[in-house]
Amino acid sequence: GESVGLHLPTLSVQEGDNSIINCAYSNSASDYFIWYKQESGKGPQFIIDIRSNMDKRQGQRVTVLLNKTVKHLSLQIAATQPGDSAVYFCAERGGSNYKLTFGKGTLLTVNP
Amino acid sequence: SAVISQKPSRDICQRGTSLTIQCQVDSQVTMMFWYRQQPGQSLTLIATANQGSEATYESGFVIDKFPISRPNLTFSTLTVSNMSPEDSSIYLCSILTDQRAFFGQGTRLTVV
Repeated sequence: GESVGLHLPTLSVQEGDNSIINCAYSNSASDYFIWYKQESGKGPQFIIDIRSNMDKRQGQRVTVLLNKTVKHLSLQIAATQPGDSAVYFCAERGGSNYKLTFGKGTLLTVNP
Repeated sequence: SAVISQKPSRDICQRGTSLTIQCQVDSQVTMMFWYRQQPGQSLTLIATANQGSEATYESGFVIDKFPISRPNLTFSTLTVSNMSPEDSSIYLCSILTDQRAFFGQGTRLTVV
């Protein structure tokens, strides 16, 4: 079936650096993408989303980039802080299908 | 966004028993979902909880094992039946609001 996957299962950065978390998707019909942050013992927390008619969207300290040509999604976190340490999941949804398909997740560790 | 409350937050259960997980939302929502997150893994959709009708299950999940109730637009339950150690996971309730999916804190289930 269609799948969403991540290039890097773990990422370690220094506090203050920028972080980039990548995600590849295979369903060309996907038109909506979301990034979630999951801290230990908690449910996934919505970070930012993007629709396929956009290639970039910015939030507070976060930017999502979408490259539909190569079916690639990335999450950029500026000035990474220790509180950003978590597992980050990308998810995609296609057309009228309301179901989300999640990627494998990337563990981000921020070193002080 | 809506507040999603799940209980219990965690439980340790004997194999062969059943556990019912509750999900309460502080506002009416049309779409509610149940996900499973096995240890160190991503999220997998179990079923869509339909108000007033039988839940819609994903491939690999059946009603006899995971019966779901949805008596109204603010509440749903998921039962994990005849549990085995392989059912040890985090179970997550999710809602769809403005096309964005939000999650409860999850129920961490350990079957011994």
